[in-house]
Amino acid sequence: KAGVTQTPRYLIKTRGQQVTLSCSPISGHRSVSWYQQTPGQGLQFLFEYFSETQRNKGNFPGRFSGRQFSNSRSEMNVSTLELGDSALYLCASSPNSGSFSYNEQFFGPGTRLTVL
Amino acid sequence: DAKTTQPTSMDCAEGRAANLPCNHSTISGNEYVYWYRQIHSQGPQYIIHGLKNNETNEMASLIITEDRKSSTLILPHATLRDTAVYYCIVFYNQGGKLIFGQGTELSVKP
Repeated sequence: KAGVTQTPRYLIKTRGQQVTLSCSPISGHRSVSWYQQTPGQGLQFLFEYFSETQRNKGNFPGRFSGRQFSNSRSEMNVSTLELGDSALYLCASSPNSGSFSYNEQFFGPGTRLTVL
Repeated sequence: DAKTTQPTSMDCAEGRAANLPCNHSTISGNEYVYWYRQIHSQGPQYIIHGLKNNETNEMASLIITEDRKSSTLILPHATLRDTAVYYCIVFYNQGGKLIFGQGTELSVKP
C-alpha cells in the first residue's frame, strides 16, 4: 500500500499570503489529522477529519482551517500568514475502525512551510 | 488530557537494550499508552501501544507497571537507526488527536 503523501514538500510564502496544503491518506483510511511542528512548540495537534467532518480541533486560531473530501483526501489552509507559521506541517491517517483501542496513525513526510 | 514525563535525552550503546521510561501518574483507567518515534526530518512512526498488559511486537516491548502510573519502552537490540526522538502518549478514544510531549532523544552510539 502506498503511504501517506503530502504536497508540496516545500513551500515559501510571504507574510499576509495564504497557503493550501494537501494530504492523501492511505487507501481505506477515513481519519486524517494535521499537526504543526516547530522547534519551540514541538508537535501540536491542529485538527482531525473523519468522514468529511471535523471531529477534533486543537488550539489554533481561525486562520487555520481544513476540509476533507469524499475520497478522504484532506486539505489544510492557512490565511494571512505570519512569520510564526513557519513550520513542518504533518498529516496522519488512521483506519479508525471505530474501536477506541486502535488509533495507530500513519504520518506523511510533511510540508516544510517557510514564511518570509 | 493525561500528561507524561520523559527524560530529555538518553544514550545507548549499539547492540544493547534501550530502556525508555515514561511517567504518567495521572492516567485514568481507560486511557491507553502509545509510543511513537520520530527520526530526524521524517514524520512520526507508531511503535506500540498498550492498556495494562505488557505488549511486544517486532519493534519493541512495552512494560506497564501494575498501577499503570509508568511504563517502559524496550528496544531489545538498539541499532544506529534507532536514534530518534521517542514520544510516550496517553489518551482514550480521542479519535485522531494525539498530544505529543517533548519526548526523549535517544542516541545510539557505536
